[in-house]
Amino acid sequence: GAVVSQHPSWVICKSGTSVKIECRSLDFQATTMFWYRQFPKKSLMLMATSNEGSKATYEQGVEKDKFLINHASLTLSTLTVTSAHPEDSSFYICSAGWASQETQYFGPGTRLLVL
Amino acid sequence: GEDVEQSLFLSVREGDSSVINCTYTDSSSTYLYWYKQEPGAGLQLLTYIFSNMDMKQDQRLTVLLNKKDKHLSLRIADTQTGDSAIYFCAEQESGGYQKVTFGTGTKLQVIP
Repeated sequence: GAVVSQHPSWVICKSGTSVKIECRSLDFQATTMFWYRQFPKKSLMLMATSNEGSKATYEQGVEKDKFLINHASLTLSTLTVTSAHPEDSSFYICSAGWASQETQYFGPGTRLLVL
Repeated sequence: GEDVEQSLFLSVREGDSSVINCTYTDSSSTYLYWYKQEPGAGLQLLTYIFSNMDMKQDQRLTVLLNKKDKHLSLRIADTQTGDSAIYFCAEQESGGYQKVTFGTGTKLQVIP
């Protein structure tokens, strides 16, 4: 099946710094990528949908200036958490899909800890 | 909006069958998924079912779909300790470009 990778798998940063998380589709071209966030012992919440070459669509309550998403190519989307704070600590998961494909493929996730 | 609900916790003895239930509200759902998440790990797609199917079996896994009641279940036969994890059901409209809505997750504990 299709493979999606994320980098880094975990990151620890100081409060106030920015962190970039990459999501790559390794063996297919993804027209659409999704970014999810998972709080401890909670379900996954969709943050935003990004289509290659266009601006991301953010879900209600997600700050677009806080969580910058770039989908510059058909195999790469990035999520940048700007001026990170401890409450941004979470598990971030991306998924990738395309219109003619039935299912999406999820990355392994990135665990972010902001001190 | 879409809503997907699951019971939070299930405990079974090793060797017994586990049944994890899920209800959803979006009648336009085309695909319904079961994902497994082990502690500290990402999501593993276990199986999925099209909305025009009633049942799908894959080795120890059996998925039942009652579209009228919008009820989905996952049965794990001969549950093993390695099956201990959180199981998420999820629904999606047609196409890989549509967002997936996840349930709250059911934590399965298998007692040796």
